[in-house]
Amino acid sequence: ETGVTQTPRHLVMGMTNKKSLKCEQHLGHNAMYWYKQSAKKPLELMFVYNFKEQTENNSVPSRFSPECPNSSHLFLHLHTLQPEDSALYLCASSQTGSNEKLFFGSGTQLSVL
Amino acid sequence: GENVEQHPSTLSVQEGDSAVIKCTYSDSASNYFPWYKQELGKRPQLIIDIRSNVGEKKDQRIAVTLNKTAKHFSLHITETQPEDSAVYFCAAKGRTGTASKLTFGTGTRLQVTL
Repeated sequence: ETGVTQTPRHLVMGMTNKKSLKCEQHLGHNAMYWYKQSAKKPLELMFVYNFKEQTENNSVPSRFSPECPNSSHLFLHLHTLQPEDSALYLCASSQTGSNEKLFFGSGTQLSVL
Repeated sequence: GENVEQHPSTLSVQEGDSAVIKCTYSDSASNYFPWYKQELGKRPQLIIDIRSNVGEKKDQRIAVTLNKTAKHFSLHITETQPEDSAVYFCAAKGRTGTASKLTFGTGTRLQVTL
């Protein structure tokens, strides 16, 4: 499936590193999302972008910085992360309006050492 | 905000048996309830969804029921097969904003044994 692609698939970083996660959707959707998936926890919504405008920031620490240059691309910039930030980070997209179905990417498995 | 609870956290059934996963939600304004299946190492994928104006929806071996009064909805899988083994997530969306702000349950790990 190539609807929503995320890179990299795996990332190991130290607490002082700066890295970025990338997401691209080829579905013509106008909304994009970042979710965090940790073991034994529900999927946590982090950020929502609707028509490139951020409409939701669920009290996410500033060490996570999203960027949405256009409706097809979404980035998550990471800086000074903590070991507890280790998780699977999932990007998703949807078309707002009557069709609310979320399409997820394969995720980036992040390990913070 | 919305709160979604999901039970059980793990479920083991024999091949051919039925499996039922239940979720409750707190926001009576929620009007969209999807179910996602996530196989090991793969992305969550939508398998079925239901809107608040419908009480039941079926797609081959899977069905979802919704009780708006009680604020709960359930996923039913009949004639389970080994490929049904995965983690299943329920979710609910309220009528807030224009983007899909879904609140997810904690997931149910379904194991179908031979």
